[in-house]
Amino acid sequence: EPEVTQTPSHQVTQMGQEVILRCVPISNHLYFYWYRQILGQKVEFLVSFYNNEISEKSEIFDDQFSVERPDGSNFTLKIRSTKLEDSAMYFCASSDTDNYGYTFGSGTRLTVV
Amino acid sequence: AQSVTQPDIHITVSEGASLELRCNYSYGATPYLFWYVQSPGQGLQLLLKYFSGDTLVQGIKGFEAEFKRSQSSFNLRKPSVHWSDAAEYFCAVGDRRDYKLSFGAGTTVTVRA
Repeated sequence: EPEVTQTPSHQVTQMGQEVILRCVPISNHLYFYWYRQILGQKVEFLVSFYNNEISEKSEIFDDQFSVERPDGSNFTLKIRSTKLEDSAMYFCASSDTDNYGYTFGSGTRLTVV
Repeated sequence: AQSVTQPDIHITVSEGASLELRCNYSYGATPYLFWYVQSPGQGLQLLLKYFSGDTLVQGIKGFEAEFKRSQSSFNLRKPSVHWSDAAEYFCAVGDRRDYKLSFGAGTTVTVRA
């Protein structure tokens, strides 16, 4: 069964550093998403991406965050200057349609120290 | 705005016993409703979803859920749990306009022998 692959599975970074979280969506999928889950809290929508542009973003997704599909296979989430409160599990998802046919990756646990 | 409440943070159930996980939602119209499961180190896997029609929905791994509009609920059930059902379960509601999910806080299920 096709999978969404996320790397790394765990990343530790110092506050103020830039991090890039990587995702390889399912190859024929066209819609891409990032969600995050702060420990002990709900999974929250961050951003959706279609046709090489952001289609929607939440209020969490401020200027510190950006997404990119640099080479037609990877889908990345960049945090420019990490804060302690960015520590969370970040989930990537992709879909072949815009009707909730999501497949989620296994997540990247980001720890900011 | 839509929201989801999962009243039970943690449930322990004996192997072979029945399981019911509660989910209540708040949404202005008929929602799209989902149950996801997350096993340790794994991504979010879709168990079942409700869009319309029959209010009793069958999913994978022997799970079912019932949509009750009058109670704003979408409870998940399984008649006989297996040790492999130990995981975290998330209820989610989807907006019919923008295809982003709002998740509940999750219920952790422990299965004892």
